[in-house]
Amino acid sequence: SQQGEEDPQALSIQEGENATMNCSYKTSINNLQWYRQNSGRGLVHLILIRSNEREKHSGRLRVTLDTSKKSSSLLITASRAADTASYFCARATNKLIFGTGTLLAVQP
Amino acid sequence: DAGVIQSPRHEVTEMGQEVTLRCKLISGHNSLFWYRQTMMRGLELLIYFNNNVPIDDSGMPEDRFSAKMPNASFSTLKIQPSEPRDSAVYFCASSLSSGGTDTQYFGPGTRLTVL
Repeated sequence: SQQGEEDPQALSIQEGENATMNCSYKTSINNLQWYRQNSGRGLVHLILIRSNEREKHSGRLRVTLDTSKKSSSLLITASRAADTASYFCARATNKLIFGTGTLLAVQP
Repeated sequence: DAGVIQSPRHEVTEMGQEVTLRCKLISGHNSLFWYRQTMMRGLELLIYFNNNVPIDDSGMPEDRFSAKMPNASFSTLKIQPSEPRDSAVYFCASSLSSGGTDTQYFGPGTRLTVL
């Protein structure tokens, strides 16, 4: 399967803590994207990192990409209750292939 | 600017009935994607269009599913006849570029229940 794996499947932390989610894949990619989905809503794009980039920041988000290990991580710093959502990585080959997601719960 | 618009937001129908889901792209976007999301299978790409032309329909489950893009801003996904296993949330997404790998903007989804 091209889907690869995301871990953990679920993560529960306290407000103010950092959250790290990981994504692994099996085939070469053009880029890798992270999306957030709040319960009952559509996905929202967070960040795109190209295959020739190693790290990217956007506000409290930090994404890394290691193409040699075929893996990426999303770090959310100083988490807030409003960060509670499912987070998906999407591998871009000739289309986007979404992983199964990590359910993040941030306790106030 | 309005985002991707989907209708209806909820649909409950009986097995065997025809279901039509609708999507309006963000103005100026060139690519349109239909996804299906279930607990068991996650988020699956059904079909995508570039400049109104279907590019990849390998994810369309079977002949009961069909998608059209009659103009640059509007698309429909039809299921005929519907079956209980079609119950899912269906998302439409659009992208500015004419390709399948750039940022996608998702609609709010249509929750379909087939009884």
